[in-house]
Amino acid sequence: AQSVTQLGSHVSVSEGALVLLRCNYSSSVPPYLFWYVQYPNQGLQLLLKYTTGATLVKGINGFEAEFKKSETSFHLTKPSAHMSDAAEYFCAVSDRHDYKLSFGAGTTVTVRA
Amino acid sequence: ETGVTQSPTHLIKTRGQQVTLRCSSQSGHNTVSWYQQALGQGPQFIFQYYREEENGRGNFPPRFSGLQFPNYSSELNVNALELDDSALYLCASSWGWGAAMNTEAFFGQGTRLTVV
Repeated sequence: AQSVTQLGSHVSVSEGALVLLRCNYSSSVPPYLFWYVQYPNQGLQLLLKYTTGATLVKGINGFEAEFKKSETSFHLTKPSAHMSDAAEYFCAVSDRHDYKLSFGAGTTVTVRA
Repeated sequence: ETGVTQSPTHLIKTRGQQVTLRCSSQSGHNTVSWYQQALGQGPQFIFQYYREEENGRGNFPPRFSGLQFPNYSSELNVNALELDDSALYLCASSWGWGAAMNTEAFFGQGTRLTVV
Protein backbone atom coordinates (compact mmCIF):
# COMPACT_ATOMS: atom_id res chain seq x y z
CA ALA A 1 0.00 0.00 0.00
CA GLN A 2 1.13 3.50 -0.70
CA SER A 3 0.48 6.84 0.95
CA VAL A 4 1.50 10.41 0.25
CA THR A 5 2.08 13.32 2.60
CA GLN A 6 2.23 16.84 1.27
CA LEU A 7 3.73 19.23 3.79
CA GLY A 8 1.87 22.53 3.83
CA SER A 9 -1.68 22.86 2.60
CA HIS A 10 -1.07 26.43 1.45
CA VAL A 11 2.04 28.08 0.02
CA SER A 12 2.25 31.77 -0.84
CA VAL A 13 5.13 33.08 -2.94
CA SER A 14 6.01 36.34 -4.62
CA GLU A 15 6.12 36.50 -8.38
CA GLY A 16 9.64 35.59 -9.44
CA ALA A 17 10.44 33.72 -6.24
CA LEU A 18 11.26 30.03 -5.84
CA VAL A 19 8.34 27.63 -5.59
CA LEU A 20 9.00 24.57 -3.39
CA LEU A 21 6.29 22.01 -2.72
CA ARG A 22 7.14 19.08 -0.49
CA CYS A 23 6.02 15.50 -0.95
CA ASN A 24 6.94 12.40 1.01
CA TYR A 25 5.65 8.95 0.22
CA SER A 26 5.56 5.51 1.66
CA SER A 27 5.50 2.47 -0.55
CA SER A 28 6.24 -1.18 -0.07
CA VAL A 29 7.55 -1.49 -3.62
CA PRO A 30 9.49 0.82 -5.97
CA PRO A 31 6.95 3.47 -6.86
CA TYR A 32 6.02 5.59 -9.77
CA LEU A 33 5.74 9.22 -8.64
CA PHE A 34 3.75 12.06 -10.13
CA TRP A 35 2.90 15.71 -9.72
CA TYR A 36 -0.42 16.99 -11.02
CA VAL A 37 -1.82 20.52 -11.18
CA GLN A 38 -5.48 21.40 -10.91
CA TYR A 39 -6.92 24.76 -11.87
CA PRO A 40 -10.32 25.80 -10.49
CA ASN A 41 -13.20 23.74 -11.82
CA GLN A 42 -10.91 21.63 -13.97
CA GLY A 43 -9.48 18.14 -13.98
CA LEU A 44 -5.90 17.17 -13.29
CA GLN A 45 -3.00 17.90 -15.61
CA LEU A 46 0.24 15.98 -15.36
CA LEU A 47 3.25 18.19 -14.62
CA LEU A 48 5.88 15.48 -14.48
CA LYS A 49 6.50 11.89 -13.48
CA TYR A 50 9.27 9.64 -12.27
CA THR A 51 9.28 6.01 -13.33
CA THR A 52 12.86 4.83 -13.66
CA GLY A 53 16.24 6.27 -14.61
CA ALA A 54 17.35 9.82 -13.91
CA THR A 55 16.14 10.99 -10.53
CA LEU A 56 15.85 14.65 -11.53
CA VAL A 57 12.76 14.97 -13.66
CA LYS A 58 11.84 18.00 -15.71
CA GLY A 59 8.22 18.75 -16.51
CA ILE A 60 6.06 21.31 -18.17
CA ASN A 61 5.90 25.02 -17.33
CA GLY A 62 9.41 25.07 -15.87
CA PHE A 63 8.75 22.65 -13.01
CA GLU A 64 11.11 19.91 -11.93
CA ALA A 65 11.24 17.33 -9.16
CA GLU A 66 13.88 15.08 -7.69
CA PHE A 67 13.30 11.54 -6.51
CA LYS A 68 15.30 10.83 -3.35
CA LYS A 69 14.86 7.22 -2.37
CA SER A 70 16.78 7.56 0.90
CA GLU A 71 14.45 10.36 1.99
CA THR A 72 11.32 8.90 0.35
CA SER A 73 10.72 12.33 -1.10
CA PHE A 74 9.70 13.83 -4.42
CA HIS A 75 9.70 17.59 -3.91
CA LEU A 76 8.54 19.90 -6.70
CA THR A 77 10.36 23.13 -7.54
CA LYS A 78 10.20 26.01 -9.96
CA PRO A 79 12.94 28.66 -9.87
CA SER A 80 10.72 31.64 -10.65
CA ALA A 81 6.99 31.76 -9.91
CA HIS A 82 4.56 33.23 -12.40
CA MET A 83 1.05 34.44 -11.69
CA SER A 84 -0.29 31.60 -13.83
CA ASP A 85 1.20 29.07 -11.38
CA ALA A 86 -1.56 29.81 -8.89
CA ALA A 87 -3.39 26.48 -8.60
CA GLU A 88 -3.74 23.32 -6.54
CA TYR A 89 -0.88 20.84 -6.76
CA PHE A 90 -1.12 17.14 -5.99
CA CYS A 91 1.62 14.62 -5.47
CA ALA A 92 0.68 11.03 -6.29
CA VAL A 93 2.25 7.60 -6.11
CA SER A 94 1.41 4.26 -7.66
CA ASP A 95 2.76 0.80 -7.46
CA ARG A 96 4.57 0.50 -10.77
CA HIS A 97 2.64 -2.65 -11.46
CA ASP A 98 -0.91 -1.37 -11.11
CA TYR A 99 -1.03 2.34 -11.89
CA LYS A 100 -3.73 3.06 -9.31
CA LEU A 101 -2.85 6.48 -8.01
CA SER A 102 -2.77 7.45 -4.34
CA PHE A 103 -2.87 11.23 -3.96
CA GLY A 104 -1.77 13.59 -1.27
CA ALA A 105 -4.19 16.13 0.16
CA GLY A 106 -2.87 18.86 -2.11
CA THR A 107 -1.08 22.18 -1.74
CA THR A 108 -2.70 25.43 -2.83
CA VAL A 109 -0.23 27.88 -4.32
CA THR A 110 -0.96 31.59 -4.41
CA VAL A 111 1.36 34.01 -6.19
CA ARG A 112 1.67 37.58 -4.96
CA ALA A 113 2.37 40.36 -7.44
CA GLU B 1 -6.61 12.55 -30.81
CA THR B 2 -9.57 13.32 -28.57
CA GLY B 3 -9.17 13.82 -24.84
CA VAL B 4 -11.10 12.32 -21.95
CA THR B 5 -14.65 13.62 -21.76
CA GLN B 6 -17.06 13.25 -18.88
CA SER B 7 -20.78 13.86 -18.70
CA PRO B 8 -22.65 15.52 -17.24
CA THR B 9 -20.45 18.32 -15.91
CA HIS B 10 -22.75 19.07 -13.00
CA LEU B 11 -25.77 17.45 -11.45
CA ILE B 12 -27.83 17.61 -8.32
CA LYS B 13 -29.45 14.54 -6.81
CA THR B 14 -31.53 13.85 -3.74
CA ARG B 15 -30.35 11.55 -0.97
CA GLY B 16 -31.38 7.96 -1.68
CA GLN B 17 -31.44 8.38 -5.45
CA GLN B 18 -29.20 6.65 -7.96
CA VAL B 19 -26.81 8.35 -10.39
CA THR B 20 -24.83 7.33 -13.48
CA LEU B 21 -21.75 9.22 -14.58
CA ARG B 22 -20.14 8.68 -17.95
CA CYS B 23 -16.60 8.81 -19.28
CA SER B 24 -15.27 8.56 -22.81
CA SER B 25 -11.64 7.51 -22.74
CA GLN B 26 -8.93 8.99 -24.88
CA SER B 27 -8.53 7.36 -28.29
CA GLY B 28 -6.40 4.22 -28.03
CA HIS B 29 -6.72 3.88 -24.26
CA ASN B 30 -8.12 0.65 -22.82
CA THR B 31 -7.91 1.38 -19.09
CA VAL B 32 -10.23 3.66 -17.17
CA SER B 33 -9.91 4.63 -13.52
CA TRP B 34 -12.42 6.55 -11.42
CA TYR B 35 -11.62 8.87 -8.53
CA GLN B 36 -13.69 10.77 -5.99
CA GLN B 37 -12.42 14.18 -4.94
CA ALA B 38 -14.23 15.66 -1.96
CA LEU B 39 -13.99 19.40 -1.45
CA GLY B 40 -10.54 20.39 -0.22
CA GLN B 41 -9.10 16.89 -0.52
CA GLY B 42 -7.03 14.87 -2.92
CA PRO B 43 -8.68 12.38 -5.27
CA GLN B 44 -9.42 8.93 -3.86
CA PHE B 45 -9.21 5.85 -6.07
CA ILE B 46 -12.59 4.16 -6.54
CA PHE B 47 -11.88 1.43 -9.10
CA GLN B 48 -10.19 0.67 -12.37
CA TYR B 49 -11.40 -1.14 -15.49
CA TYR B 50 -9.14 -2.83 -17.99
CA ARG B 51 -10.60 -4.35 -21.11
CA GLU B 52 -14.11 -4.42 -19.63
CA GLU B 53 -13.09 -6.15 -16.39
CA GLU B 54 -12.74 -4.56 -12.95
CA ASN B 55 -9.05 -4.45 -12.18
CA GLY B 56 -8.85 -3.31 -8.59
CA ARG B 57 -10.99 -1.36 -6.20
CA GLY B 58 -10.36 1.20 -3.50
CA ASN B 59 -12.07 1.50 -0.14
CA PHE B 60 -15.57 2.24 -1.42
CA PRO B 61 -18.80 0.36 -0.62
CA PRO B 62 -20.55 -1.91 -3.13
CA ARG B 63 -23.14 0.76 -3.94
CA PHE B 64 -20.36 2.24 -6.08
CA SER B 65 -20.25 0.14 -9.22
CA GLY B 66 -19.00 0.51 -12.74
CA LEU B 67 -18.92 -0.77 -16.25
CA GLN B 68 -16.58 -0.56 -19.17
CA PHE B 69 -17.88 -1.00 -22.70
CA PRO B 70 -16.22 -2.57 -25.77
CA ASN B 71 -15.23 0.90 -27.00
CA TYR B 72 -13.55 1.37 -23.56
CA SER B 73 -15.89 4.11 -22.43
CA SER B 74 -17.05 3.69 -18.87
CA GLU B 75 -19.84 4.38 -16.41
CA LEU B 76 -19.78 4.95 -12.67
CA ASN B 77 -23.03 4.13 -10.88
CA VAL B 78 -23.80 5.12 -7.33
CA ASN B 79 -26.89 3.77 -5.60
CA ALA B 80 -28.60 5.02 -2.46
CA LEU B 81 -26.86 8.38 -2.58
CA GLU B 82 -25.67 9.87 0.68
CA LEU B 83 -24.82 13.49 1.45
CA ASP B 84 -21.13 12.53 1.75
CA ASP B 85 -21.15 11.38 -1.86
CA SER B 86 -21.13 15.04 -2.88
CA ALA B 87 -17.81 15.44 -4.68
CA LEU B 88 -16.02 15.91 -7.98
CA TYR B 89 -15.81 12.56 -9.76
CA LEU B 90 -12.83 12.23 -12.04
CA CYS B 91 -12.23 9.72 -14.77
CA ALA B 92 -8.74 8.94 -16.04
CA SER B 93 -7.83 6.88 -19.06
CA SER B 94 -4.54 5.22 -19.88
CA TRP B 95 -3.11 2.55 -22.11
CA GLY B 96 -2.31 -0.88 -20.81
CA TRP B 97 -1.84 -2.14 -17.31
CA GLY B 98 1.10 -3.27 -15.29
CA ALA B 99 4.81 -2.88 -15.72
CA ALA B 100 4.65 -2.75 -19.50
CA MET B 101 2.37 0.22 -19.68
CA ASN B 102 3.07 3.71 -20.87
CA THR B 103 2.70 5.40 -17.56
CA GLU B 104 0.50 8.39 -17.99
CA ALA B 105 -3.16 8.78 -17.18
CA PHE B 106 -5.15 11.56 -18.78
CA PHE B 107 -7.93 13.04 -16.67
CA GLY B 108 -11.27 14.41 -17.69
CA GLN B 109 -12.62 17.64 -16.23
CA GLY B 110 -14.86 15.75 -13.87
CA THR B 111 -18.51 15.64 -12.89
CA ARG B 112 -19.53 17.74 -9.92
CA LEU B 113 -22.18 15.79 -8.00
CA THR B 114 -24.18 17.51 -5.29
CA VAL B 115 -26.43 15.39 -3.07
CA VAL B 116 -29.11 17.29 -1.17
